[in-house]
Amino acid sequence: SQKIEQNSEALNIQEGKTATLTCNYTNYSPAYLQWYRQDPGRGPVFLLLIRENEKEKRKERLKVTFDTTLKQSLFHITASQPADSATYLCALLSGNTPLVFGKGTRLSVIA
Amino acid sequence: ETGVTQTPRHLVMGMTNKKSLKCEQHLGHNAMYWYKQSAKKPLELMFVYNFKEQTENNSVPSRFSPECPNSSHLFLHLHTLQPEDSALYLCASSQVGSTAGELFFGEGSRLTVL
Repeated sequence: SQKIEQNSEALNIQEGKTATLTCNYTNYSPAYLQWYRQDPGRGPVFLLLIRENEKEKRKERLKVTFDTTLKQSLFHITASQPADSATYLCALLSGNTPLVFGKGTRLSVIA
Repeated sequence: ETGVTQTPRHLVMGMTNKKSLKCEQHLGHNAMYWYKQSAKKPLELMFVYNFKEQTENNSVPSRFSPECPNSSHLFLHLHTLQPEDSALYLCASSQVGSTAGELFFGEGSRLTVL
């Protein structure tokens, strides 16, 4: 069956450290993988997209990698700040199906 | 007005009530979506409208009825709901054919069914 899994439900890290979130998928051949941020009581906000032929994408303190052999994407936040605390969702676009989302990882950055 | 606007933000209804959720997008997009978000579950796609035509209906119970009168407005009509339908209902829009295909979400309507 097709699955998209974000391995950690919750992740706590110290301010200033790098947060690394994982997204794994099975039985998909995604053309794109996207990451969203969701704050409590709010809708998700798009952060980054990475294509199947790209290994890495950066935006300010954010970095996303995509390994189609491992069927995995990693999402990094460097020099993390308490304001980065939120739930981060990965989503993939495969064939003609609409975006499929993972459950999300709730990140807490502790000052 | 910017982005995607959903009303109401909060709704409490009994199982015999009929209510509607409204979504409006000001981005000029040609696709609109309804998602359901329950605790500890991934976002569940309910309905997709491309160019006002419904293209997806993911086995959603008939007590949920979507309506898309034009490319900027989307409604979700609710009737005889169950307590397990309590969730955050998110509307989103996108531009079909854009490279990234990213979704722009509204703030959601928090529904409680008593």
